[in-house]
Amino acid sequence: RKEVEQDPGPFNVPEGATVAFNCTYSNSASQSFFWYRQDCRKEPKLLMSVYSSGNEDGRFTAQLNRASQYISLLIRDSKLSDSATYLCAVELNNDMRFGAGTRLTVKP
Amino acid sequence: EAGVAQSPRYKIIEKRQSVAFWCNPISGHATLYWYQQILGQGPKLLIQFQNNGVVDDSQLPKDRFSAERLKGVDSTLKIQPAKLEDSAVYLCASSLDLTNEQFFGPGTRLTVL
Repeated sequence: RKEVEQDPGPFNVPEGATVAFNCTYSNSASQSFFWYRQDCRKEPKLLMSVYSSGNEDGRFTAQLNRASQYISLLIRDSKLSDSATYLCAVELNNDMRFGAGTRLTVKP
Repeated sequence: EAGVAQSPRYKIIEKRQSVAFWCNPISGHATLYWYQQILGQGPKLLIQFQNNGVVDDSQLPKDRFSAERLKGVDSTLKIQPAKLEDSAVYLCASSLDLTNEQFFGPGTRLTVL
């Protein structure tokens, strides 16, 4: 089993849609969780950290389910500018492991 | 505030040649990371420095890859000799400390022919 797994997609959604991605991790001792956004041919940029209680930033909501070992990212009211690859990252003992990313395309 | 700087941005070499990449982290960031990102995959950590000491290099192919951060600031990553499968984007990232947010540089896109 891979350390961090994501559905590669692509997810093609219309503007205004709600879309959700999941990311599963294999090590139950993992300590910190993040979602990064990566535009085509650009570097990853931190979108949000994922806290145990869940967190929300505008149209974006991240949640952690430790029992089932996955994190999720929900995007509401999708915009064209949300088109990107979304990478999840899991940290264990100061060692970050990234998923392969989920590609999202928002269409007019 | 200046971000993480990397050079060159692009490099094309033939297999068995050597290549070196340079990274200048954000000022004051103690932790520096080198990642390899192959097309269609997530970044894979190669090596992690805390100041000028290596924290983790378990995924670095040490027979051909080497990295240093002599003065605890800039870092270089070298591949010698390069193989076709080394074609990838090499990303440098830095963070204030081990548990803080990582900021990525623009990467160096390496093509090995």
